[in-house]
Amino acid sequence: QKEVEQDPGPLSVPEGAIVSLNCTYSNSAFQYFMWYRQYSRKGPELLMYTYSSGNKEDGRFTAQVDKSSKYISLFIRDSQPSDSATYLCAMRRVGGGNKLTFGTGTQLKVEL
Amino acid sequence: DTGVSQNPRHKITKRGQNVTFRCDPISEHNRLYWYRQTLGQGPEFLTYFQNEAQLEKSRLLSDRFSAERPKGSFSTLEIQRTEQGDSAMYLCASSLNWTGGNYGYTFGSGTRLTVV
Repeated sequence: QKEVEQDPGPLSVPEGAIVSLNCTYSNSAFQYFMWYRQYSRKGPELLMYTYSSGNKEDGRFTAQVDKSSKYISLFIRDSQPSDSATYLCAMRRVGGGNKLTFGTGTQLKVEL
Repeated sequence: DTGVSQNPRHKITKRGQNVTFRCDPISEHNRLYWYRQTLGQGPEFLTYFQNEAQLEKSRLLSDRFSAERPKGSFSTLEIQRTEQGDSAMYLCASSLNWTGGNYGYTFGSGTRLTVV
């Protein structure tokens, strides 16, 4: 069983929809949680970072962490065709050096 | 210096050949990482450097793989005697220390390796 599970999709939504992307994890030592966006043939770019449980909002993006359920989410409001990409969750342990453990990524397509 | 630069962008090589990739991190970043990403998967950690010191290596990094960061600036990743299973995107990333507000890496666009 992988430490981080993420539904690979693909997920297709109409423009303007609210998108919900999720990851579950098994290692309770994960304390830092990130979401990356990766366009085709590009490296991942950091979208959101959260520490421990709680919510964080940045423009149209909201990241949510529920440590009791070992579940993290990324919500995208008013989705745009330019949001079409693969979204990767990533996590880091306290004292785990600098290694990030990624999910497999969810492929999102926002259609006109 | 606008980001992490990786060269070459693409590399096709015959099985058994050696290949070397280069990464130039963001100049003020003292930490440099190598990850490997195969199709439909997330990046997997290979190794990381703080300045010129290699501080952690994954068990994924077999004896055929070696990474260096000789002066604490650019880094190279060499794969000897390539195998078809080495075909992947090799991603380099850099960061400052895990203090302050920015806990994320900046990734380069990767080097796509195809072993035929």
